[in-house]
Parts: sequence; structure tokens; C-alpha cells
Amino acid sequence: AQTVTQSQPEMSVQEAETVTLSCTYDTSESDYYLFWYKQPPSRQMILVIRQEAYKQQNATENRFSVNFQKAAKSFSLKISDSQLGDAAMYFCAYSGGSNYKLTFGKGTLLTVNP
Amino acid sequence: SQTIHQWPATLVQPVGSPLSLECTVEGTSNPNLYWYRQAAGRGLQLLFYSVGIGQISSEVPQNLSASRPQDRQFILSSKKLLLSDSGFYLCAWTRDTLGTEAFFGQGTRLTVV
Repeated sequence: AQTVTQSQPEMSVQEAETVTLSCTYDTSESDYYLFWYKQPPSRQMILVIRQEAYKQQNATENRFSVNFQKAAKSFSLKISDSQLGDAAMYFCAYSGGSNYKLTFGKGTLLTVNP
Repeated sequence: SQTIHQWPATLVQPVGSPLSLECTVEGTSNPNLYWYRQAAGRGLQLLFYSVGIGQISSEVPQNLSASRPQDRQFILSSKKLLLSDSGFYLCAWTRDTLGTEAFFGQGTRLTVV
């Protein structure tokens, strides 16, 4: 069974600094996708970034980038130049195999200090 | 464009009462549909998902059930609510292609009293 583990329940960062959120996963599938979603206080889920397992190049979206280590089954999110609006709950998610199951981790609550 | 509707937004129900939460998607066909529960502002627990009409996969076979009577309609139900059913329930959909983005409804805050 696929599992997603986020070992950091809470993280904090100073505005304009860089922070890295950790995520590990377990799967026996060869074709899968990994995601980071953001949930601000409004509770609306927003896709931050997506990584395809067959792509070795790490995905980037403006200030957000990932460090995808396939052999280690690790998928961390780096937020550069942190902004107050980045404060939210961040979820790592996995989707793979042929059953379209979408599994989320328990989340990391990110606080951005001014 | 595609939209997802989830209702009601807030619900207060007594213990032992039934539950029906509804989710509908517009603007697409054959979506994959999901129900999640988020307790105490923490992780998203996958409850059910469906890849087609009448096809339901259960991840948490407890007090809840799900049905998909139409292609773009997903219903979460309970015959008798427990206090532990309280939480924030989210419906989501993806296209029927692996790895596509999930789009979420606004959520339902359920309080069982």
C-alpha cells in the first residue's frame, strides 16, 4: 500500500528566508506522480507543484522547487524568499498505479514570521 | 470550465441521526471522485474514491458509505452518526488520467452533538 509521511508537523521561517518541507513515500509502483498542495486558512486546497516519477529533473514553479530523490523515495519542497502569504498547511500527495487513488500526508503547518 | 459543488457548507447533527453530503462536478465527464475527512485541521484522510458510476473503493470501512448514482455525483452517507464523525469533509475530482491535478470543493464542516 502506498503511504505518504510528513515528519514535520510544524515549521517556521522568517520572511524572505528559505524553508524546506520534508516528505517521504512508499510504493512499489514504477509510474507515479507526487504533489505538494497548500491549504491556507480559507481551507481551499491549491496545487503548488507536481513531479512525474519518470522525470529526473526536479520540478520548479517560481519560488517553489522540489528535491526528488527517487531511490530514497523522498520528495521535499523548498520555498525560497518566503512571503507572509506562504503561511499555510502544506500537504504532500501521491498518485500512482492504475487505480487513481490519491493519498495525502498528514501535513506540515508553515508559519512565516515578519 | 469545470466546477465542483459541495454542500452543505456547515452541518450540525445529533448523534444517531443520518447524514448525506453531496458533491457534483460540472464541465467534465468520467471524473475520478474522492471523499476526504480532515480532523482537527490536520491530515487528509481518504475515505472513498470512485473511478466510475457505481464503482466505489473504500479506505475507511466504518460508519460511512459512499455512492455514485450519476457520472458527476458523489454522495457520502451515514445511517447513524457518531461523535467521532465530526470533522471537515472535502470532495475532490481529477480527470481520468493518472497524475492530473485534484480540484477540491469548499468543504463541509460537520459537527455531531
